[in-house]
Amino acid sequence: KNQVEQSPQSLIILEGKNCTLQCNYTVSPFSNLRWYKQDTGRGPVSLTIMTFSENTKSNGRYTATLDADTKQSSLHITASQLSDSASYICVVSARGNNDMRFGAGTRLTVKP
Amino acid sequence: DAGVTQSPTHLIKTRGQQVTLRCSPKSGHDTVSWYQQALGQGPQFIFQYYEEEERQRGNFPDRFSGHQFPNYSSELNVNALLLGDSALYLCASAVWGGNQPQHFGDGTRLSIL
Repeated sequence: KNQVEQSPQSLIILEGKNCTLQCNYTVSPFSNLRWYKQDTGRGPVSLTIMTFSENTKSNGRYTATLDADTKQSSLHITASQLSDSASYICVVSARGNNDMRFGAGTRLTVKP
Repeated sequence: DAGVTQSPTHLIKTRGQQVTLRCSPKSGHDTVSWYQQALGQGPQFIFQYYEEEERQRGNFPDRFSGHQFPNYSSELNVNALLLGDSALYLCASAVWGGNQPQHFGDGTRLSIL
């Protein structure tokens, strides 16, 4: 079983709408959690990184939250744009080593 | 400032052949990690190099090997290719011991016929 589970697997929304992507993890001990955006045919690009003490972090229209107690994170996208169409990958790192666990990603499609 | 660059961008091989993929890290980075990403899946960690040594390895067979050069660039070699090796191979670089996110290249798309 993957230590990082993302939901939904895919999502279609209309341009201008908001959406929230979920990430649940079992990685322990926890070090940090990152959200990446991966456009088709490109490498992942970092959006946010959060450590244990942070419970929210924003990057423009992207806002990530972290609940380290329940081991859950979400990525909220506000006023979606066509360019937001991509896969969003949650990555959780364990403390004490460089072990990074990747989720399978959520495929977001924004339609006009 | 060039980011992570990978070559080639696309490659087609047949079963049993060998392949070498190349990666140049972002300027200032000294650590290189390689990932395999199957279609519709998240990246799977292959191994990580720092100071020309393999520092960590994921659950991949010995057919997958690598090298890091003094200029921090790296190669991924795969021997005896299987159909299941078809994937996007991503290289990521970072500063060893740093907490900043890795920077990824755009990958090499490897297709095995």
